Amino acid sequence: QVQLQESGPGLVKPSETLSLTCTVSGGSISSYYWSWIRQPAGKGLEWIGRIYTSGSTNYNPSLKSRVTMSVDTSKNQFSLKLSSVTAADTAVYYCAREDGIVGYYYGMDVWGQGTTVTVSS
Amino acid sequence: EIVLTQSPGTLSLSPGERATLSCRASQSVSSSYLAWYQQKPGQAPRLLIYGASSRATGIPDRFSGSGSGTDFTLTISRLEPEDFAVYYCQQYGSSPPSTFGQGTKLEIK
Repeated sequence: QVQLQESGPGLVKPSETLSLTCTVSGGSISSYYWSWIRQPAGKGLEWIGRIYTSGSTNYNPSLKSRVTMSVDTSKNQFSLKLSSVTAADTAVYYCAREDGIVGYYYGMDVWGQGTTVTVSS
Repeated sequence: EIVLTQSPGTLSLSPGERATLSCRASQSVSSSYLAWYQQKPGQAPRLLIYGASSRATGIPDRFSGSGSGTDFTLTISRLEPEDFAVYYCQQYGSSPPSTFGQGTKLEIK
């Protein structure tokens, strides 16, 4: 079955750019939306944004100015860049697959295990 | 901007009891665009319900979802020990493109 795996540095310095990659295995990356979600320790889930395999994106308005997502279908990977990070960006970052059609949403049905990113000097 | 408010914040029940979790939206949400997730400590969330009332693959039938407009409910008919976790509702839309509720913690009484 489809599995997702996040990868990237676990420690990022303040004001620098957080970069994460999610690798899709066991299936094709095509024809789905792919999302990033984060969760500070002890807190709830925050949706960061999503990318379709065509490259079209939707971002959380509160993070939009700092977020860039990209997809590499040849590698079955998609990526997140979050610029100008502060301690408030410290969280577990999850990637997830989203499914749906026009007029119907099937939810985030496959999730990565999550990767902890700490912003600290 | 659509805000999802879940209640109660914490629900204390015993195994075998019925759990009713609420998700209220600040504006009307299409029931086609409402999902529920379960998250256990140290784990990624798991999709339970999509389209407000359709169970995801492998989800036991003791989990059910209902509602429309601004009020949605997740019901667990008879709690099993493994059901004690945090539950989140989520909306998929245009403004913003996606939002999670703040979560309801279901704990053993």
